[in-house]
Amino acid sequence: SQTIHQWPATLVQPVGSPLSLECTVEGTSNPNLYWYRQAAGRGLQLLFYSVGIGQISSEVPQNLSASRPQDRQFILSSKKLLLSDSGFYLCAWSKGQSTDTQYFGPGTRLTVL
Amino acid sequence: AQSVTQLDSQVPVFEEAPVELRCNYSSSVSVYLFWYVQYPNQGLQLLLKYLSGSTLVKGINGFEAEFNKSQTSFHLRKPSVHISDTAEYFCAVSLGGSNYKLTFGKGTLLTVNP
Repeated sequence: SQTIHQWPATLVQPVGSPLSLECTVEGTSNPNLYWYRQAAGRGLQLLFYSVGIGQISSEVPQNLSASRPQDRQFILSSKKLLLSDSGFYLCAWSKGQSTDTQYFGPGTRLTVL
Repeated sequence: AQSVTQLDSQVPVFEEAPVELRCNYSSSVSVYLFWYVQYPNQGLQLLLKYLSGSTLVKGINGFEAEFNKSQTSFHLRKPSVHISDTAEYFCAVSLGGSNYKLTFGKGTLLTVNP
């Protein structure tokens, strides 16, 4: 069966510090991968998605970036965090069809102080 | 572009009462529709999805939803809720084809009280 991992589970960082959040998927190959941010009362906002190694599509302009160095690894990064980057970050995967379910990881709670 | 509106941000109900969580979407093309549930501090879990065929879709935990194309709605229902159904519920839409992206509503917090 497939599983998706995210770490860390929680993170408190000062403004201006770098960020690296990691997501890995097990039990499947060549998944589509997604990063979402969830802010209170605003639902889920798709930040990035990837259909293959090195292929990243950005949905919103921001100071975050994403990379996919391996087939089942997806990394969310920032060089300098802003207060507005605080939120709950969710990674998800799906197979290659738009009808396929997206499966979500447990999330990372990021607080920028 | 498609959008999703969840009409109620919060829905409080008593245990064993029926509940309906409302979802409307806007799109100029056919869509696929999803309902996800999120328990506190956890990721999202699929409840059910509508792709085609019967407009009444049954999901996990006794939930069901009905697709109404003329009203562009996909409301979620459960005839009798439990305390354990307390969670946030998200409606989402996908355009299909080569578009893998889901557009989510802002969520409805269902609180089941004893």
